[in-house]
Order: sequence, then structure tokens, then C-alpha cells
Amino acid sequence: QVQLVESGGGLVKPGGSLRLSCAASGFTFSDYYMSWIRQAPGKGLEWVSYISSSSSYTNYADSVKGRFTISRDDAKNSLYLQMNSLRAEDTAVYYCARRQMGATPNYWGQGTLVTVSS
Amino acid sequence: QSALTQPPSASGSPGQSVTISCTGTSSDVGGYNYVSWYQQHPGKAPKLMIYEVSKRPSGVPDRFSGSKSGNTASLTVSGLQAEDEADYYCGSYAGSNTLGVFGGGTKLTVL
Repeated sequence: QVQLVESGGGLVKPGGSLRLSCAASGFTFSDYYMSWIRQAPGKGLEWVSYISSSSSYTNYADSVKGRFTISRDDAKNSLYLQMNSLRAEDTAVYYCARRQMGATPNYWGQGTLVTVSS
Repeated sequence: QSALTQPPSASGSPGQSVTISCTGTSSDVGGYNYVSWYQQHPGKAPKLMIYEVSKRPSGVPDRFSGSKSGNTASLTVSGLQAEDEADYYCGSYAGSNTLGVFGGGTKLTVL
């Protein structure tokens, strides 16, 4: 069965950096677009970024463009999100999700909490 | 893109039906048959309940159904059960080279 497991969240000071990872199993990882979606405490869902299969295309929310970088390692069945210049408003649970046709995240990880605070 | 508009809350008694709306524009909901719905229980990850407007993934009860008219999509939960109490989010495709867009979420209470 499809499984997505995020890691790498934690407490970081404003201006700091963090790298999130997502380990995928149960499907042919290299065949699928993958994405990151976040949810601030008590708030709704927000697209952060997605990456195409073969890494040929990436897209980012305006709120993270230039600060976050999505990448993947198909040999390791892993997805990453490098987050730099973190701000308080980046505080959220970050979910890794497999993205199917029509911008539909059909499988989600359990999420990893990122807290940006001094 | 702006978020899709959902009512903040909805409620119904066990056994009843409830419908949650999701309003967008002709650039998202109205322009494509790629509306999806997600159920999220407290502290849990969202779960896909409906995709491509009205299709149910394997394992989702047929009490959940989706539809669309113009720029507004709807999720109907029939025969409400206590375990249906959760937050529900809609999502839509918004064109190539876009991320997509979510609604603000609706808290469904089973009375």
C-alpha cells in the first residue's frame, strides 16, 4: 500500500533553515508528480510546491518562491523540501502528498510540524 | 489564485443528509472537472473522499457524493454517522502551470 513518511520538522529561529524529507513506498515513485502542502495551526490547507516526475518541472506558491526548493531522489524514493529564510508565518504542519491528474493529492503523509519562533 | 469559498460550518443529525458547497470561478471550479474533496479528523492528515467532481476512491462509502453546477461544487453526505464529524476541504485544478487551489474548509458537526 502507498505510504508517505515525512521527517525533518522542528523548532527553528526566524531566518533559519530546515530540510524536510518524505520517504515513499508502495508505488513506483519515479512515475508520479509529488507535492508539499502545509496547514498553519487552526487554518486551512495551502499548496506549497510540486515537482514533476523526472524533476523537469517545479512550481511554488508566491509566499515561498525564492526561499524554498523542492527536489527528489528517485533512486531513494524520496522527496525533499529545503526551506531557507524561514519566517514565523511558515509555521505549519507540512504534508508530503502524491499529486495525481487535476492537481489532486490522492495520498498524504502524516505530516511534520515546523515551528518558526525565537 | 484566491481560495475557494466554503461555509465555515454545517451540521445534521444522524441519518440525515448534509450538503457542503464550494464556490470558485470559471478559472478553477467552473473551468475543469477536477474538483476534489478531503476529510480531515483532528490531528490527522486529510483523506481524499471525492475526485474529478463525483468519483469515489476505493474504500470511500457511497454515502459520500459530489456534484458541480457552474462555478459551485457540492459534497453531499447521506445517512450521517458520528464518524463523519470532521473538517472538509474542497480543492480544484486551476490550469496548467498552476499549483491548484483549496477551499477554506467546513467543519461538519453531527448533532
